[in-house]
Amino acid sequence: GESVGLHLPTLSVQEGDNSIINCAYSNSASDYFIWYKQESGKGPQFIIDIRSNMDKRQGQRVTVLLNKTVKHLSLQIAATQPGDSAVYFCAERVGELTGGGNKLTFGTGTQLKVEL
Amino acid sequence: DTGVSQNPRHKITKRGQNVTFRCDPISEHNRLYWYRQTLGQGPEFLTYFQNEAQLEKSRLLSDRFSAERPKGSFSTLEIQRTEQGDSAMYLCASSFEAEPQHFGDGTRLSIL
Repeated sequence: GESVGLHLPTLSVQEGDNSIINCAYSNSASDYFIWYKQESGKGPQFIIDIRSNMDKRQGQRVTVLLNKTVKHLSLQIAATQPGDSAVYFCAERVGELTGGGNKLTFGTGTQLKVEL
Repeated sequence: DTGVSQNPRHKITKRGQNVTFRCDPISEHNRLYWYRQTLGQGPEFLTYFQNEAQLEKSRLLSDRFSAERPKGSFSTLEIQRTEQGDSAMYLCASSFEAEPQHFGDGTRLSIL
C-alpha cells in the first residue's frame, strides 16, 4: 500500500557535523511534504516543508531535498548541535485538489543522537 | 503561550470508562486535526475539522470515538468504553487553511 518510511531508525553524529535524515515515500499523488522534530514528552515541532513543484528548500541550518523521480526526501541539518537530538519524522500529504483531504501520513521516525 | 493547548496532559483510567480530551488551537486557525501516536511510531490521522464541520474521519476512528468542534474554536475528543488498545498519545494540531500543521504536546492516555 501507499506509505512513508525512513531508511535509518537511529542516526548518531558528532557535534558540529552535518546530519542527513532520509525518507522514502511511495504515494506518487503526494504533493506536499513536511519535516517535524519531536522531543521526548512533547508534540511534533514543525521544521520545514516543501511542495512537489520544488526540489530544494532552505531554512535556518536546515535544507530539505525532494527527488520525485525516486520518491525520496531528505533533511539536512548543518552544524548539528546537542539540542538537535530528537526523533525526526517526515510526512506527506495528498493534495486537496486530487481528493486527498488535508491529513498527513507520517513515517516511523529517525532518532538523531548528537555526540559531544 | 499562543501554541496549541491540550488538556489534560495525562489521563489514567480503568478499562470501560469514558474519557474526554480538550484541544484549544492557535487562534485564527480554521482547521483542527486529531492524531494518535503509539510508542516508537509516527502520528496516525484520526479526524479533522474545518471550522465546525468534521470533514474527514479515519477508519481508525471506531464508533466509540467521537470528536466535536461546536463553535469552530476548541475541540473535544471522547472515547467511550475505553479498551487497553486505546492507550496512546492523542495529539491535536491546527492550521490556517493548508498551511503547516502545528501540534500541541498531546494527552497521554493510559488504560489500567
